[in-house]
Amino acid sequence: QKEVEQNSGPLSVPEGAIASLNCTYSDRGSQSFFWYRQYSGKSPELIMSIYSNGDKEDGRFTAQLNKASQYVSLLIRDSQPSDSATYLCAPMGNNNDMRFGAGTRLTVKP
Amino acid sequence: KAGVTQTPRYLIKTRGQQVTLSCSPISGHRSVSWYQQTPGQGLQFLFEYFSETQRNKGNFPGRFSGRQFSNSRSEMNVSTLELGDSALYLCASSFDGSNTEAFFGQGTRLTVV
Repeated sequence: QKEVEQNSGPLSVPEGAIASLNCTYSDRGSQSFFWYRQYSGKSPELIMSIYSNGDKEDGRFTAQLNKASQYVSLLIRDSQPSDSATYLCAPMGNNNDMRFGAGTRLTVKP
Repeated sequence: KAGVTQTPRYLIKTRGQQVTLSCSPISGHRSVSWYQQTPGQGLQFLFEYFSETQRNKGNFPGRFSGRQFSNSRSEMNVSTLELGDSALYLCASSFDGSNTEAFFGQGTRLTVV
């Protein structure tokens, strides 16, 4: 079992729809969870962080965390073509190391 | 506030050579982590430095090493380069590396020929 698992996609949604990105992790000691967006040829950009169970909203983005299920997700509302990118889930382990999933490639079609 | 700066941006080296990459973190950040990104393996953790000490190391051979200076700038070194070392090397800085947000530099694209 991989440490961090994400659906590789590609996930395709029409403009204006909700994109749902999922992530499961194996390290039960993980306390912090981060979502990064990476455009092709660019470095990862932090878009959300979540530390407690439940939902956290920031603009069009909502992160959801369920530590008991070892599951974290990212919802993107009103998806725009500019949201087309690879989204990386990164739980942080007890040793101060972020372990990244392989990423989900999202395409938003106009 | 300046972001994370990595130099050089691009590098071409020959097998067997060694290379040193540099990372200047965001002002006030004391933790620097290094990652290797390849199409096949994704983002893999190399090591993390805090206050000039390596706190954690990923599963890479000893040819990969690093250090951090008193001003929090960090360098990583790869000796005896192999073709498989061709990758995008990214550093990320955070305030203390402990459950705090980390921000990436633009990366150094290393090509080994």
